[in-house]
Amino acid sequence: EAQVTQNPRYLITVTGKKLTVTCSQNMNHEYMSWYRQDPGLGLRQIYYSMNVEVTDKGDVPEGYKVSRKEKRNFPLILESPSPNQTSLYFCASSPGTGKYEQYFGPGTRLTVT
Amino acid sequence: TQLLEQSPQFLSIQEGENLTVYCNSSSVFSSLQWYRQEPGEGPVLLVTVVTGGEVKKLKRLTFQFGDARKDSSLHITAAQPGDTGLYLCAREGGNQFYFGTGTSLTVIP
Repeated sequence: EAQVTQNPRYLITVTGKKLTVTCSQNMNHEYMSWYRQDPGLGLRQIYYSMNVEVTDKGDVPEGYKVSRKEKRNFPLILESPSPNQTSLYFCASSPGTGKYEQYFGPGTRLTVT
Repeated sequence: TQLLEQSPQFLSIQEGENLTVYCNSSSVFSSLQWYRQEPGEGPVLLVTVVTGGEVKKLKRLTFQFGDARKDSSLHITAAQPGDTGLYLCAREGGNQFYFGTGTSLTVIP
């Protein structure tokens, strides 16, 4: 089954404790992306990757890191989480240039206390 | 920023009623996507519209792209409880994606 998977689905952590949210897709998509969704602000793009070893900042990259060492995986790293990073996070993938449909993972709800 | 404004923000209707939600921008865009998001899940793509004036139908859902490619609408005929969800429009620009804040639809049985 074609899908985007994220882990964990739920995470409660404390300020400053490094964490990684994994994302994997099995559709051989070139484009992958991370979003955060907050009430009243909608979905905002954090980082995206056009292909392996190519990553770029989205609208809200501060406090986040990503890597794309393999085509299928695109982990999101929070080196020192803060309470303002409490949010619902989505990973998405897309076939690539000129093909704009995105396939989203189920989401990761992160709480930073 | 590439602002997409959606209206209304919230909509609560009875089963069987018709409704229209809107997505507007001050900029011209080459294509626009509509997604539906159910509680606790990721958005799911409904349709992509590309050509100005284009109309696409998906069962009881009708999507229209404005002639000037600055706006789009989603019309639902005879809404059903299964249509309940958050409807999002999105556009691509410079390899990034921009989403509207969504219309939260509740269809009451």
